Amino acid sequence: DAKTTQPPSMDCAEGRAANLPCNHSTISGNEYVYWYRQIHSQGPQYIIHGLKNNETNEMASLIITEDRKSSTLILPHATLRDTAVYYCIVNPTLYSGAGSYQLTFGKGTKLSVIP
Amino acid sequence: NAGVTQTPKFQVLKTGQSMTLQCAQDMNHEYMSWYRQDPGMGLRLIHYSVGAGITDQGEVPNGYNVSRSTTEDFPLRLLSAAPSQTSVYFCASWKGATGELFFGEGSRLTVL
Repeated sequence: DAKTTQPPSMDCAEGRAANLPCNHSTISGNEYVYWYRQIHSQGPQYIIHGLKNNETNEMASLIITEDRKSSTLILPHATLRDTAVYYCIVNPTLYSGAGSYQLTFGKGTKLSVIP
Repeated sequence: NAGVTQTPKFQVLKTGQSMTLQCAQDMNHEYMSWYRQDPGMGLRLIHYSVGAGITDQGEVPNGYNVSRSTTEDFPLRLLSAAPSQTSVYFCASWKGATGELFFGEGSRLTVL
């Protein structure tokens, strides 16, 4: 059973904000939301993660709804180099003892940034 | 820092041959793992390790062996290659308890 649901593809104009949604309606209280991306055929790259508060770093912002059933990754000013597959993953932390060693990558959202 | 280094980057094998994919990390991470990615698919976990001398199976372990004799190295062995093992293999190491994985650039394996 998939823990997350993401649209298979999205387009975004260069310079605009890219908002990537993720549904995780069965998320447990000890599960974090992680976002990774994979550019072309390179190894996936960590972007951001959060539990229930909104998070921001130099790459992106993560907005998690109050009920934690969905989240949105925001790339504030998308560039052509942001074209990639974006993966939303829910998982306990490694020390939660809840089988958390397996980050499960689904098919993600293919984001195309258009010039 | 080199991060996570995988070798070789490309390999072609014949059915039945054996080989080892090498993975090394220089970040002193305790946790390491191997994933495979087939065309149009997400990554699937093969094996993982939570420290030197400790390994465990992931989602798709059949046909692969691993060992972890040092913190730095986590080789993946294909015992008798099959065409179904044609894939891109990624090694990753974990940073602390946050679930932040650092991935290598991948090893592209073709089994004829």
